[in-house]
Amino acid sequence: AQKVTQAQTEISVVEKEDVTLDCVYETRDTTYYLFWYKQPPSGELVFLIRRNSFDEQNEISGRYSWNFQKSTSSFNFTITASQVVDSAVYFCALTGAQKLVFGQGTRLTINP
Amino acid sequence: DGGITQSPKYLFRKEGQNVTLSCEQNLNHDAMYWYRQDPGQGLRLIYYSQIVNDFQKGDIAEGYSVSREKKESFPLTVTSAQKNPTAFYLCASSGTENTEAFFGQGTRLTVV
Repeated sequence: AQKVTQAQTEISVVEKEDVTLDCVYETRDTTYYLFWYKQPPSGELVFLIRRNSFDEQNEISGRYSWNFQKSTSSFNFTITASQVVDSAVYFCALTGAQKLVFGQGTRLTINP
Repeated sequence: DGGITQSPKYLFRKEGQNVTLSCEQNLNHDAMYWYRQDPGQGLRLIYYSQIVNDFQKGDIAEGYSVSREKKESFPLTVTSAQKNPTAFYLCASSGTENTEAFFGQGTRLTVV
């Protein structure tokens, strides 16, 4: 069965601090895809990144970076020099066997 | 503009009544999904469909029903059998399992 675990329910940091959101997944599929989404207060989910199971290269996009480690089944997300606008709920997700499964989400609060 | 539309944004229902939530997409996506989100909780999969006239139960399908008569439409009916229907409902669509899902703005259902 597919499962995504985001152990950090809430994180609160002061602006400009770096913060890492953890994501651990379980799947029996050899081919799968991992995603991160952001949910601002408006409620609509916004896509951030996609990674397939054969590509373990880390990725950086501006202040955002992702670390995919297949050996530990983890796909962590780091925000560098956080800003108040980064405050949101962040979800990690996994596809395989035609299902898209989400973790519980991490509520990130960036304080000025 | 291409996108996914959920309506209504807010919905109130009396106990014992069935209610249908609308989800329409013009992205020509094959896959569509329904999720439920409770306060402070993650997204739980209710139903999903990979093709017209076919759909599968997710993790919490009891008390819900769906149809997929058209590619563009995937309505969700919350029946009176759903014991705790008050929640935020999100609809999503994707082209294939390896592409990101696009989400609607959600419907907040309240049972009064």
